[in-house]
Amino acid sequence: EVQLVESGGGLVQPGGSLRLSCAASGFTFSSYWMSWVRQAPGKGLEWVANIKEDGSEKYYVDSVKGRFTISRDNAKNSLYLQMNSLRAEDTAVYYCVRDQDGGLGSWGQGTLVTVSS
Amino acid sequence: DIVMTQSPLSLPVTLGQPASISCRSSQSLVHSDGNTYLNWFQQRPGQSPRRLIYKVSNRDSGVPDRFSGSGSGTDFTLKISRVEAEDVGVYYCMQGTHWKTFGQGTKVEIK
Repeated sequence: EVQLVESGGGLVQPGGSLRLSCAASGFTFSSYWMSWVRQAPGKGLEWVANIKEDGSEKYYVDSVKGRFTISRDNAKNSLYLQMNSLRAEDTAVYYCVRDQDGGLGSWGQGTLVTVSS
Repeated sequence: DIVMTQSPLSLPVTLGQPASISCRSSQSLVHSDGNTYLNWFQQRPGQSPRRLIYKVSNRDSGVPDRFSGSGSGTDFTLKISRVEAEDVGVYYCMQGTHWKTFGQGTKVEIK
């Protein structure tokens, strides 16, 4: 069974940093693109970033370019999102998602990031 | 960027009756590889999203066959043949042809 477990969320001040982690199990992690998707409180879904199987390609939504960095460690079956220069509008639940069939196949339970002073 | 527009945004339905959600894209979702990467997701209250449909009309494993997807180009539809109580939630379409963008979501509730 595919399992994706996020961690690292919490309360951070504007301008601060946070690193999210996602532990993957139940599938061959190194064979899949992976994504981060976020959902602001009471709002819709927004794709944030994704990374190729071997980490050689990374893509970001415009609103986080230059501030967020996606990475992975295939030896540890883990996905990461380094978030710097955080803003109030980055407040959201962040989901770790396995890319599949040109879409987003399996989702974690999410971790809440709150940016507030 | 491709903009995805869903309608309606709110859909009150009667148990046992059919329901339909429309999703339109601002440009064709046909990829250069010939596939059309249009997904549908269900998000029940308090839960993570769950994919129902991929590549327009393919049901994910474990998805009841009362859910079906159709469409082509820029116009797509999710249909529920007979709504059940467990179908309450928000439904999103998403295109994966050029990056990934979601529709605004359609809230399905029981009348």
